[in-house]
Amino acid sequence: GESVGLHLPTLSVQEGDNSIINCAYSNSASDYFIWYKQESGKGPQFIIDIRSNMDKRQGQRVTVLLNKTVKHLSLQIAATQPGDSAVYFCAEIPTGFQKLVFGTGTRLLVSP
Amino acid sequence: KAGVTQTPRYLIKTRGQQVTLSCSPISGHRSVSWYQQTPGQGLQFLFEYFSETQRNKGNFPGRFSGRQFSNSRSEMNVSTLELGDSALYLCASSLAGGSTYEQYFGPGTRLTVT
Repeated sequence: GESVGLHLPTLSVQEGDNSIINCAYSNSASDYFIWYKQESGKGPQFIIDIRSNMDKRQGQRVTVLLNKTVKHLSLQIAATQPGDSAVYFCAEIPTGFQKLVFGTGTRLLVSP
Repeated sequence: KAGVTQTPRYLIKTRGQQVTLSCSPISGHRSVSWYQQTPGQGLQFLFEYFSETQRNKGNFPGRFSGRQFSNSRSEMNVSTLELGDSALYLCASSLAGGSTYEQYFGPGTRLTVT
């Protein structure tokens, strides 16, 4: 079935630390995965994506890792800043479907 | 380039009423998707439109409907509102939809049903 879940509902880190947000998915047929950031009162904002034929992709201060063997996705944020405080969602697009299947979300709290 | 806009931003309705929400995608984007966000169910896909045609539909009752106009603007309608329809309704646009392009979200419409 289609199911994307997150291991931790809340992650608290200190400013400057590296953050790792995890996500498990169950649909092995998905070929595209995305991480979104949602701040209070706003819609989700695209952070980074990765296709199923890749295992790692880097952006500015962010890295997404994909392990298809164990159906696991992670988002690494380097040198976490207070502005990174938000809820982070992973999402997948099942092959052949024009829709995002979202995980439950992880709240990241960054303390100064 | 302007982002995705949604109107109204906030709405209060009573049970049994109907509501229409509007979404204007980013200029040039032809795909519009709608999502419902609630604390209990998270973000759930409602439907996706491309070139005025509904291409995908989520698992929502027939009270939820939508349409897309020739200028790619989209509306969604909920009839016979129930308390459980209270949610943030998000619209997202992309160039062509699906796995090929990024989806950009609007700020959402907060619907409260009393």
